[in-house]
Amino acid sequence: EIVLTQSPDTLYLSPGERATLSCRASQSISSGYLAWYQQKSGQAPRLLISGASSRATGIPDRFSVSGSGTDFTLTISRVEAEDFAVYYCQQYDYSPYTFGQGTKVEIK
Amino acid sequence: EVQLMESGGGLVKPGGSLRLSCAASGFPFSAAYMSWVRQAPGKGLEWVGRIKSKGDGGTIEYAAPVKGRFTISRDDSKSMLYLQINSLKTEDTAVYYCCWHLTVRFYMEVWGKGTTVTVSS
Repeated sequence: EIVLTQSPDTLYLSPGERATLSCRASQSISSGYLAWYQQKSGQAPRLLISGASSRATGIPDRFSVSGSGTDFTLTISRVEAEDFAVYYCQQYDYSPYTFGQGTKVEIK
Repeated sequence: EVQLMESGGGLVKPGGSLRLSCAASGFPFSAAYMSWVRQAPGKGLEWVGRIKSKGDGGTIEYAAPVKGRFTISRDDSKSMLYLQINSLKTEDTAVYYCCWHLTVRFYMEVWGKGTTVTVSS
């Protein structure tokens, strides 16, 4: 099973700041089969980005991803009030399709 | 608009059973790959299992912690996905989400709002 480790656990930011969230895999994920999700309190997760850079419908371009192999990054160029939430990465290269433990982006 | 609506959650005693349902609309369900994902209170996300479309063999995969106790099935005529949960344990307490895979890649394109299962004596 591929273990995904996200860091940091919590990120404290002010609106307008840049957010950098990391997801590290225990083994290489081929073809960048990694997705990112956002979950706000009391809501279901929603897909942000899949694969190398495919943003889901309605996701603004301030969200971007980078990385390959075992190290991946989600960047929010300028955090807005609506972006404070928990973010999860998920690999879909190998079954079981595992998730990271999440990074919470909180208001500083 | 793609919509997924789960139902069937509730309070169950350890060792009991429950069947969760997911009503799908807004996309060709019979061609869809679907998954169940759960989230224990205050915890992260855990993939439970997935079912392919019948046209692609209808094969089902399960995560190790639920294999042998959980059964995923589908009724394409009703656009319904099901999760039968047997021999419930307290650690099965979670919100259970139904998810749609837009492509044959297993990321979760759309999530339902979830249904809560509580296992307690």
